Amino acid sequence: ILNVEQSPQSLHVQEGDSTNFTCSFPSSNFYALHWYRWETAKSPEALFVMTLNGDEKKKGRISATLNTKEGYSYLYIKGSQPEDSATYLCASSNYGQNFVFGPGTRLSVLP
Amino acid sequence: DGGITQSPKYLFRKEGQNVTLSCEQNLNHDAMYWYRQDPGQGLRLIYYSQIVNDFQKGDIAEGYSVSREKKESFPLTVTSAQKNPTAFYLCASSITGTGGDYTFGSGTRLTVV
Repeated sequence: ILNVEQSPQSLHVQEGDSTNFTCSFPSSNFYALHWYRWETAKSPEALFVMTLNGDEKKKGRISATLNTKEGYSYLYIKGSQPEDSATYLCASSNYGQNFVFGPGTRLSVLP
Repeated sequence: DGGITQSPKYLFRKEGQNVTLSCEQNLNHDAMYWYRQDPGQGLRLIYYSQIVNDFQKGDIAEGYSVSREKKESFPLTVTSAQKNPTAFYLCASSITGTGGDYTFGSGTRLTVV
């Protein structure tokens, strides 16, 4: 079973601050990495899917990068807003294996 | 609107009883999945099905059973053999069995009393 880690476990930032967190995964036989955003009492929502080393994806104030050689992905949020408060999950898989989720980073944006 | 429906949202079960969690999707997705979440842990795969009438064990299948008689439905039964059934259960589907591009339900919180 893959070991997917996320850090930090939780994060509190002030409204307007930019922030980032990390997803680490085994780099050998990498297939794809997904980021999800999970608000309390809602379903996880897909943010990005990345497959190639050096991939960068952006959606509004949120962006992500991927380094498959060293086995990490960063998620960045620029100018955090209270509505960004959620748990951010990453999921990674190797070829022929099921996706494995990290434990998530819980972000709280304080007004 | 297409989506995944899980029911019920909250479920209480007496120790020793079997209980079935419902998951229905109208997205025409081939693959469906059941995950379990415990505090401080990532979502862990219980069972998955890539096509109707076929399913595979995930990483923590012991004490659980599933069926996939219809494309739209993938019910999960938590049996009395599951030692620690109290958890949050999340169902997901994806267009194909390669997974990752999941659409999730809103979850069922099961509590054993």
